Amino acid sequence: NFMLTQPHSVSESPGKTVTISCTGSSGSIASNYVQWYQQRPGSAPSTVIYEDSQRPSGVPDRFSGSIDSSSNSASLTISGLKTEDEADYYCQSYDGSTFWVFGGGTKLTVL
Amino acid sequence: QLQLRESGPGLVKPSETLSLTCTVSGGSITSTNYYWGWIRQPPGKGLEWIGNIYYTGSTYYNPSLKSRVTISVHTSRNQFSLQLTSVTAADTAVYYCAPIQPGGNWFDPWGQGILVTVSS
Repeated sequence: NFMLTQPHSVSESPGKTVTISCTGSSGSIASNYVQWYQQRPGSAPSTVIYEDSQRPSGVPDRFSGSIDSSSNSASLTISGLKTEDEADYYCQSYDGSTFWVFGGGTKLTVL
Repeated sequence: QLQLRESGPGLVKPSETLSLTCTVSGGSITSTNYYWGWIRQPPGKGLEWIGNIYYTGSTYYNPSLKSRVTISVHTSRNQFSLQLTSVTAADTAVYYCAPIQPGGNWFDPWGQGILVTVSS
């Protein structure tokens, strides 16, 4: 089955920019949309990016998403890091047929 | 604006059946826009898609759970439900429900989640 692979953890300082990758195991990641969810401890996930690069209302423009077909990966970039951005981030996609999949999640530490 | 809430027992014995209900408010479960999904998260681990249902009863299941999962829809109550049979400690998790947004096939908004512990 289709799988999405994320780094286990990333860390960066406040005010800096961090990028989290999400690599597809097979096929073209560009064939189906990728979403990104933020999950703070004890809370349900919430969407920060949908359809590769779209931001829901209320999500600051410090959050952006992109697709790189050459590496078969999606990326979530957070600029101007704030301590409140510290959370787990999950990518998610769909195989185009019958299967929805999440990446393993990346713990972002802002220190 | 859609809101979803999970309900059901927080403790299930090994080998028994886990049963949860998701109640939808702020919209109709018979909307042609959405599939309705279940996702779970074991303590300290990542998210796992369980399955989806359309208001007509059409379902998709994660192949790794398919033999034990049934998702049903109850249109008169604006609810859908999850049954997971023959549970073990590995099924201990927070269970979430969410609608699947058309187009991008993304889950939003999520219910608050319910912790289900499998233990004797």
